[in-house]
Amino acid sequence: AQSVSQHNHHVILSEAASLELGCNYSYGGTVNLFWYVQYPGQHLQLLLKYFSGDPLVKGIKGFEAEFIKSKFSFNLRKPSVQWSDTAEYFCAVKGTGRRALTFGSGTRLQVQP
Amino acid sequence: GAVVSQHPSWVICKSGTSVKIECRSLDFQATTMFWYRQFPKQSLMLMATSNEGSKATYEQGVEKDKFLINHASLTLSTLTVTSAHPEDSSFYICSAGGGREETQYFGPGTRLLVL
Repeated sequence: AQSVSQHNHHVILSEAASLELGCNYSYGGTVNLFWYVQYPGQHLQLLLKYFSGDPLVKGIKGFEAEFIKSKFSFNLRKPSVQWSDTAEYFCAVKGTGRRALTFGSGTRLQVQP
Repeated sequence: GAVVSQHPSWVICKSGTSVKIECRSLDFQATTMFWYRQFPKQSLMLMATSNEGSKATYEQGVEKDKFLINHASLTLSTLTVTSAHPEDSSFYICSAGGGREETQYFGPGTRLLVL
């Protein structure tokens, strides 16, 4: 079975601070990894994804994530957050041979102006 | 990017009635759609995988007779909550897989309130 852990449940930052949200997964095979964002009152949007190749992937709005296979991690980063980044962030994994995503519990990011 | 719509966006119904939620992929065909449920301040929990032209695959603990799923075409899947009860009140989200990379695109969700 696959599982995803997001250790930071609630993060509060000031504008311009750097962000790193942790994501660890458990799965015995090859995985596809995703970060989704859910702004208040809106639906889930894909931030970035990793399927293969360069383990450092860049997404929209200045976000990036690094896949570290040895650590089973896919942490999300942004060098300088903005107030508009206030949202819920979900890490998700899909193991090969499985079609559905398994989501982490989410991290609520609050950016203070 | 691909667009997935859901209808209705919110619904209030009386206990014991049935509610149908539609999920459409607007600009791509999806042989597979997924239905999730999200409780307040919690993550998405997969309910079932909807397969075009065949029966849905339900996750453990999800009652297939209560949550009826139909995937009649490559662009439409429906979730019917039968004999709804207050504990069924939740936010229901669908997603559709598309493209070679199998990225899932999510609908805006349907908020169900059962009185």
